[in-house]
Amino acid sequence: DAEITQSPRHKITETGRQVTLACHQTWNHNNMFWYRQDLGHGLRLIHYSYGVQDTNKGEVSDGYSVSRSNTEDLPLTLESAASSQTSVYFCASSPGPTGELFFGEGSRLTVL
Amino acid sequence: SQQGEEDPQALSIQEGENATMNCSYKTSINNLQWYRQNSGRGLVHLILIRSNEREKHSGRLRVTLDTSKKSSSLLITASRAADTASYFCATLTHSGNTPLVFGKGTRLSVIA
Repeated sequence: DAEITQSPRHKITETGRQVTLACHQTWNHNNMFWYRQDLGHGLRLIHYSYGVQDTNKGEVSDGYSVSRSNTEDLPLTLESAASSQTSVYFCASSPGPTGELFFGEGSRLTVL
Repeated sequence: SQQGEEDPQALSIQEGENATMNCSYKTSINNLQWYRQNSGRGLVHLILIRSNEREKHSGRLRVTLDTSKKSSSLLITASRAADTASYFCATLTHSGNTPLVFGKGTRLSVIA
């Protein structure tokens, strides 16, 4: 069955380190998204992509970057992790801009 | 910025009762979607209603949309303990290829 997988599911890192969260989908969806979820804030959009080589900033993009070299993957990189980036990160994909989102199970990141 | 706001933030009901959650939004939309999130899991799409639709049903779910009031409601009939989860509304605006914007969610507890 087609799916979307995130790794790692849990990570603890130190302030200042670079961290990359992986997202891989097998639906061949053009659209992929990264959200973060924090208590009291719901889901906030970090970055998104509508196809290979396309990337766009979301509401809370500072400190994060993404690259889209193929259809299946959209890795999220924290260049220099900060404690404010402790959160649960969700990757999602969609077959089209008006359609439903398919979410991964999330990656819980703790920055000490 | 949050487009959708759910109300109430938390809801506790007995098994067999109906649960109603509301979502208000600020700008015109292309469609509105509802998602469910079980504790520690990713979000799962429940239902999508387009701006030219007023009501939609899916199993025990009934969604209404009032574009004049910029509001939507999700009704879960004959609730079960397994319906315990957080429920989020998400909106897609008319402004071209824009991602979904999520509200902060309603936490539903169904007591057996």
